[in-house]
Amino acid sequence: GENVEQHPSTLSVQEGDSAVIKCTYSDSASNYFPWYKQELGKRPQLIIDIRSNVGEKKDQRIAVTLNKTAKHFSLHITETQPEDSAVYFCAAKTSSNTGKLIFGQGTTLQVKP
Amino acid sequence: EPEVTQTPSHQVTQMGQEVILRCVPISNHLYFYWYRQILGQKVEFLVSFYNNEISEKSEIFDDQFSVERPDGSNFTLKIRSTKLEDSAMYFCASRDRSFQETQYFGPGTRLLVL
Repeated sequence: GENVEQHPSTLSVQEGDSAVIKCTYSDSASNYFPWYKQELGKRPQLIIDIRSNVGEKKDQRIAVTLNKTAKHFSLHITETQPEDSAVYFCAAKTSSNTGKLIFGQGTTLQVKP
Repeated sequence: EPEVTQTPSHQVTQMGQEVILRCVPISNHLYFYWYRQILGQKVEFLVSFYNNEISEKSEIFDDQFSVERPDGSNFTLKIRSTKLEDSAMYFCASRDRSFQETQYFGPGTRLLVL
């Protein structure tokens, strides 16, 4: 069935270091991959997304890479800051035309000052 | 910037009771979704809604669940007879036109079934 696996489940880095979170998806027809940041008790907020016709996208300190052959995509955060601490979810839009998202399990990122 | 809103923010109910969770999607959006997140777990798709009808539903969305868009602004999720395992955060999301894929999430309703 449709599935997205996300690793690691927790990640602790020092301020200024880089953080990488990886996801794999099962539906080869998936064509849209958003990343959401969720702070404690708040709504998931879209931070970056990528479509299957590109291999990489960057927005300031955040970048996402996509390998369609291997069916995996990654989030890269450089020069991490304490305010980057949150739970990050990857997701994949399935091949169904409803646009539903299948989410990964989430990664709790802690950036230590 | 327009946002998806949800009410109530928290709901406590007794097992077997009916609950209605309300959402106001972003005004010009056409596609609506409900997701749930059990504490500490991933966000799970429940149902999608377009053109006044359900377009897809998950296995979780059984006969105890229903959705409705009673007027031009509200989008509701009803659970007819709540179970303990329905305790979760419920998120509403909405999306613009078919080629705009970004889904915007509401703040969620935390449902606790006792």
